[in-house]
Amino acid sequence: ETGVTQSPTHLIKTRGQQVTLRCSSQSGHNTVSWYQQALGQGPQFIFQYYREEENGRGNFPPRFSGLQFPNYSSELNVNALELDDSALYLCASSTGLGGGPSSYNEQFFGPGTRLTVL
Amino acid sequence: DAKTTQPNSMESNEEEPVHLPCNHSTISGTDYIHWYRQLPSQGPEYVIHGLTSNVNNRMASLAIAEDRKSSTLILHRATLRDAAVYYCILRGGSSNTGKLIFGQGTTLQVKP
Repeated sequence: ETGVTQSPTHLIKTRGQQVTLRCSSQSGHNTVSWYQQALGQGPQFIFQYYREEENGRGNFPPRFSGLQFPNYSSELNVNALELDDSALYLCASSTGLGGGPSSYNEQFFGPGTRLTVL
Repeated sequence: DAKTTQPNSMESNEEEPVHLPCNHSTISGTDYIHWYRQLPSQGPEYVIHGLTSNVNNRMASLAIAEDRKSSTLILHRATLRDAAVYYCILRGGSSNTGKLIFGQGTTLQVKP
């Protein structure tokens, strides 16, 4: 059973550019959540995808968008990059949804993509 | 979203028990208490969770106060590999995403 993988591991972009980060979820998982972790801070929830639809969003502007594919892998896209977007971007996969106890299933995190915006 | 309060940092000696406290005085009846940890240069990993009763697994134990306003993560014998940031998180309430709301966490140092 392979775990959650993310690509690329590191990325350097300049302000104003666009970036796409990728995540392959753990086998059997249908839910993907994305988090942003600034240096020295805890991860912040960006949004979640369940069966290819966005299901919940944190306090991030619309230039942060995502996709989930039929195989449950996912992409995070960030347009018009700003310096403050420099962070570690984490993807987490899990099973279950709906507000019941399955919503609290363990989330399995990937190693993250370190994005630097110059 | 209910909030948690943890000490910024703690130290422990290797092979000694560690008790990591968490206060969550505004916890609601449907909130589960989850603990995750983040080792250096890695994504967070699940440690344990509970609702009302104390819980044990292969990694740790979770002791939950009777009024549920606080909890303690117990590592029975700390190893150098346990040096990490430990996050206490409440999940549930009105959220249907099960999203994790991370605070600053407690940075645990383990001394040989």
